[in-house]
Amino acid sequence: DQQVKQNSPSLSVQEGRISILNCDYTNSMFDYFLWYKKYPAEGPTFLISISSIKDKNEDGRFTVFLNKSAKHLSLHIVPSQPGDSAVYFCAAAAYTQKLVFGQGTRLTINP
Amino acid sequence: EADIYQTPRYLVIGTGKKITLECSQTMGHDKMYWYQQDPGMELHLIHYSYGVNSTEKGDLSSESTVSRIRTEHFPLTLESARPSHTSQYLCASSESRGVGQETQYFGPGTRLLVL
Repeated sequence: DQQVKQNSPSLSVQEGRISILNCDYTNSMFDYFLWYKKYPAEGPTFLISISSIKDKNEDGRFTVFLNKSAKHLSLHIVPSQPGDSAVYFCAAAAYTQKLVFGQGTRLTINP
Repeated sequence: EADIYQTPRYLVIGTGKKITLECSQTMGHDKMYWYQQDPGMELHLIHYSYGVNSTEKGDLSSESTVSRIRTEHFPLTLESARPSHTSQYLCASSESRGVGQETQYFGPGTRLLVL
């Protein structure tokens, strides 16, 4: 049973526009959520996280929104840049438990 | 952010060979993890360790084994490689805070191809 789902395998966005990546989860015990960025043949790079006590966290061009009632989180990238082209994974964890990852969304930024 | 290293980055090996994938971190993190990831798929946890001499199997069954004799070192061994072991192996570490919400930091990965 997939507890963390990224339903869009791919997303294509024009350079300079907003990229919105979505993630849904089913386990209401999850209290910590993270986004990672991954280039081919490299390890995931931590981008941004959010605790369940918040509904928004911002770091530069990256903002994560959490909607606990809908069990949904999203990552906004504004403005999108060519270097943002990568696979993005969302991950979630319940208190002291292990991370559960989604399948990833491949983001392509077009010039 | 953790400095975490993996060697080799790429490995092509024949069936039946014994291999060890190395993972080291320099941040003194007590928790370390091994994940397996195939293209287009999520990361699957295969082993983890919460400290020296402590290792546990993850959610995905794996024929590999791990050891944690030193805090900074968490090698993964396959006694007899098979083509089904072809995958990317990712090592990660995190600092235990005791209150959850621990961020894992990943190494660059080892891409293994077994012929």
